[in-house]
Amino acid sequence: EPEVTQTPSHQVTQMGQEVILRCVPISNHLYFYWYRQILGQKVEFLVSFYNNEISEKSEIFDDQFSVERPDGSNFTLKIRSTKLEDSAMYFCASSEAKLGTNIQYFGAGTRLSVL
Amino acid sequence: GEDVEQSLFLSVREGDSSVINCTYTDSSSTYLYWYKQEPGAGLQLLTYIFSNMDMKQDQRLTVLLNKKDKHLSLRIADTQTGDSAIYFCAESNPDNYGQNFVFGPGTRLSVLP
Repeated sequence: EPEVTQTPSHQVTQMGQEVILRCVPISNHLYFYWYRQILGQKVEFLVSFYNNEISEKSEIFDDQFSVERPDGSNFTLKIRSTKLEDSAMYFCASSEAKLGTNIQYFGAGTRLSVL
Repeated sequence: GEDVEQSLFLSVREGDSSVINCTYTDSSSTYLYWYKQEPGAGLQLLTYIFSNMDMKQDQRLTVLLNKKDKHLSLRIADTQTGDSAIYFCAESNPDNYGQNFVFGPGTRLSVLP
């Protein structure tokens, strides 16, 4: 069964460093998403991406964040200068974007620890 | 804005039925979903229901939707220890293709032997 894959599973970084979280969405999907889950809190939407541009973003997705689809398979989330409060689990998701359905399939997540 | 609420904890005995409840505020929510998160793992789609349905059954899982009260429930029959996890309710309004999901806080289900 096709799945969304994310690497690495755990990333440890120093405050102020840049990190890139990587995702390979399901191959025939057209919409891609990033969510985050701070420990013990809700899963929060960050950004959605379609046709090589951001479709929608939340207030959390400030200038420190960026997304990119550098090739035909990867979808990345970059955090330019990490802060302690960026420590969270980051989930990538993708969907087919057919009219009337929006089932999103999630990866296993990347746990980001900012020290 | 949209909001999704769930009770945070539920404990049941193995073999009993579990009922996890969810309420949402967005009256235009068209699709409602249940995801399962096991410890240290990602979000696994369990089932979903369209707003023009009242009920959906899939093996041990039964989803009930009360649109008037904006209430969604997930019933797990014959609950097993492997069902211990956090269950997230989520809603979306896919009139726009890229509509993000709004998740509830999750219900931690503990299954006692």
